[in-house]
Amino acid sequence: EAQVTQNPRYLITVTGKKLTVTCSQNMNHEYMSWYRQDPGLGLRQIYYSMNVEVTDKGDVPEGYKVSRKEKRNFPLILESPSPNQTSLYFCASSSGTSGAYNEQFFGPGTRLTVL
Amino acid sequence: GQSLEQPSEVTAVEGAIVQINCTYQTSGFYGLSWYQQHDGGAPTFLSYNALDGLEETGRFSSFLSRSDSYGYLLLQELQMKDSASYFCAVRGVDSNYQLIWGAGTKLIIKP
Repeated sequence: EAQVTQNPRYLITVTGKKLTVTCSQNMNHEYMSWYRQDPGLGLRQIYYSMNVEVTDKGDVPEGYKVSRKEKRNFPLILESPSPNQTSLYFCASSSGTSGAYNEQFFGPGTRLTVL
Repeated sequence: GQSLEQPSEVTAVEGAIVQINCTYQTSGFYGLSWYQQHDGGAPTFLSYNALDGLEETGRFSSFLSRSDSYGYLLLQELQMKDSASYFCAVRGVDSNYQLIWGAGTKLIIKP
């Protein structure tokens, strides 16, 4: 089954404790992206990756890191989480063909709470 | 800058037709997408308009008018399962490979 998976689905942590949210897709997609979703603000892009070893900042990259060492994986790293990073996080992927960037496949989401 | 505006909430009756509008301010873009998101779920892709005009997919249709900086999603024969939030998104020519998202429209369907 074609899918994007994220782990963990739920996480409660404390300020300053480094964490990683994993994302993996099995569709051989070039493009992967991380979003956060907060009430009333829609989806805001954190980072995206056009392909292996190619990443770029989105709208709200502060406090986050990513890496793309393999095509299928795109982990999101919070080196020192803070309460304002409490949010619902989505990973998404799409094929690299023109226009296809507009059709993104989303993971199930990770609900993160930072105390 | 680039921005998309959608109504925050729309209410309709089961079986009826509803239109969700999306107006945008951007210097140029590659097309307009629509996504559906049920409470607690992930966004799922509904449609993409690369060109002006109407695209139809079953009960859902999407329309784009670049000259009017306007698009809409039309849902026909509404069912209770259509209760969800709907997001429009564009990839602007100045935004590299980012999608710019509207804040979403919550569709409430009454029996």
